Amino acid sequence: DAGVIQSPRHEVTEMGQEVTLRCKPISGHDYLFWYRQTMMRGLELLIYFNNNVPIDDSGMPEDRFSAKMPNASFSTLKIQPSEPRDSAVYFCASQGARGETQYFGPGTRLLVL
Amino acid sequence: GQSLEQPSEVTAVEGAIVQINCTYQTSGFYGLSWYQQHDGGAPTFLSYNALDGLEETGRFSSFLSRSDSYGYLLLQELQMKDSASYFCAPLTGGGNKLTFGTGTQLKVEL
Repeated sequence: DAGVIQSPRHEVTEMGQEVTLRCKPISGHDYLFWYRQTMMRGLELLIYFNNNVPIDDSGMPEDRFSAKMPNASFSTLKIQPSEPRDSAVYFCASQGARGETQYFGPGTRLLVL
Repeated sequence: GQSLEQPSEVTAVEGAIVQINCTYQTSGFYGLSWYQQHDGGAPTFLSYNALDGLEETGRFSSFLSRSDSYGYLLLQELQMKDSASYFCAPLTGGGNKLTFGTGTQLKVEL
């Protein structure tokens, strides 16, 4: 298996622009997680899905952030409009039967100018 | 409320043993996971403790005491490649939600 795939790997955009991050989980995994990592706040869970249904979105910072999972092999995280404080590394992770083991993608490094 | 505490930085020499402590406060606790992250990389799973006691995986061991809400990761025979950030992550949410924090940056020196 290719592992969790994220795109783009790097994104530089200007404040106010829409940003869409994409994730393809490992085939057969029922859970998908979106995290954000910064030096100050560490690795934070934004939202997670089970069988394409959002289970916990309490970590989504504000209405500018939205996430969807239209099918078992694809998810998006959208920021609209983006702000400089959204600059971070965004990770997608998927999980199978074992809750303690999540498989992370390579991350998307987002810089909002 | 929920809290998670680890030292921010630990420095040790190659070949030594280092222990990274973790204290947590959370509801619906299932167990404690440990992850490793190299600079510029993604977190990768290291170890998991569901029950009290020690779990050993090669040079790495992890310990959990549920009554003390405490765990640690023990790294033996340190190598330069062990320089990375290490995260303890309590498992909650019905056994499917990991809570990470800022982690511990381990620097291994010659």
